[in-house]
Amino acid sequence: EVQLVESGGGVVRPGGSLRLSCAASGFTFDDYAMRWVRQAPEKGLEWVSGINWNGGSIGYADSVKGRFTISRDNAKNSLYLQMNSLRVEDTALYYCARAHYTTGAFDIWGQGTMVTVSS
Amino acid sequence: EIVLTQSPGTLSLSPGERATLSCRASQSVSSSYLAWYQQKPGQAPRLLIYGTSSRATGIPDRFSGSGSGTDFTLTISRLEPEDFAVYYCQQYGSSPWTFGQGTKVEIK
Repeated sequence: EVQLVESGGGVVRPGGSLRLSCAASGFTFDDYAMRWVRQAPEKGLEWVSGINWNGGSIGYADSVKGRFTISRDNAKNSLYLQMNSLRVEDTALYYCARAHYTTGAFDIWGQGTMVTVSS
Repeated sequence: EIVLTQSPGTLSLSPGERATLSCRASQSVSSSYLAWYQQKPGQAPRLLIYGTSSRATGIPDRFSGSGSGTDFTLTISRLEPEDFAVYYCQQYGSSPWTFGQGTKVEIK
């Protein structure tokens, strides 16, 4: 079964850090680009970051640029998001998603991990 | 950044009716890179349509997509009870990839 499982969320103070992980299974991980997408409570979807199959091409939303770092370990079938200098407005459910290798659409999603930034 | 504006915000319909959802872009989007997702409460989004009009694996043929340039449409030909959800359009041809704000399809 093709699956993505996120972990690492939690409650953190403003200015703090968290590292999210996304474990992939059921497909050849290093064939695919990967994405992080977040959803604030009762709000819509916001693309956060993306990485190509080997980490050679990376992009960030302006809202997180300079604070978040995406990475991947193909040997461990895992995607990561290092989140530093967290702000209250980063509070959201964070999803990892697979980008289909030919179309680029986000065809597989995890169930998400919740990040709450609060004092 | 390409801004996607979805309308209406909420669509109140009965099962069996036709739903037409609109997505308008602030600048031209390549038809190859326009997608639609469905999200139900407490669930992750699910890919419905990619490349404007191609159905993702397992998506029933009552879902169809169309459009070009700056105007795109998702049509659900006959609403089934499981189709009541929030729908998002997305462009993934120009970074940053962006989503519309969503259209909620609710039971009338």
